[in-house]
Amino acid sequence: DGGITQSPKYLFRKEGQNVTLSCEQNLNHDAMYWYRQDPGQGLRLIYYSQIVNDFQKGDIAEGYSVSREKKESFPLTVTSAQKNPTAFYLCASSIQNYNEQFFGPGTRLTVL
Amino acid sequence: RKEVEQDPGPFNVPEGATVAFNCTYSNSASQSFFWYRQDCRKEPKLLMSVYSSGNEDGRFTAQLNRASQYISLLIRDSKLSDSATYLCVVLGGTMNTGFQKLVFGTGTRLLVSP
Repeated sequence: DGGITQSPKYLFRKEGQNVTLSCEQNLNHDAMYWYRQDPGQGLRLIYYSQIVNDFQKGDIAEGYSVSREKKESFPLTVTSAQKNPTAFYLCASSIQNYNEQFFGPGTRLTVL
Repeated sequence: RKEVEQDPGPFNVPEGATVAFNCTYSNSASQSFFWYRQDCRKEPKLLMSVYSSGNEDGRFTAQLNRASQYISLLIRDSKLSDSATYLCVVLGGTMNTGFQKLVFGTGTRLLVSP
């Protein structure tokens, strides 16, 4: 089955800890994205990558970091510098930038 | 003004009803438009792209009005399983790099009752 997987589904973190969220796709898509979703708000773009070994900051990149060493993988690290990390994190991919995006099942991060 | 605006609802309709959602967008240069469906605590899933000439997929019809900068989604013969939040999504927010991002509305909630 082709698709996007994210792990873990739920993640609990203590303040001051860094955590890494996994995102893998086997759709052979060039572009990948990370969003966060908060109650009552639209999805907001954290980072995007249009091609392997390249990525750019989105609208709310502060406190986050990513890597794109492989086409299939785009992990997101939530660092202790992120002031309000509790949110639903969604990874997406598309063939290219201008095409429709397909989402993974998401990771729900809670900071205790 | 928000880049993409939707009525949050909820729209409460009985099974079999026809319901329509509208969405307005502010960037007149926007090129691509989509409707996504999101179930509670799940990821958004692409429902349909919206084409200039309008398009239909079974019970769902999407329309685009570029002059007034709005798109619409019509659902006919509503089913219980249509209960979800419908996100209006527009491609057109341009980053400093020239990259065009998707801009998401906050969603319209639909509740279909027996």
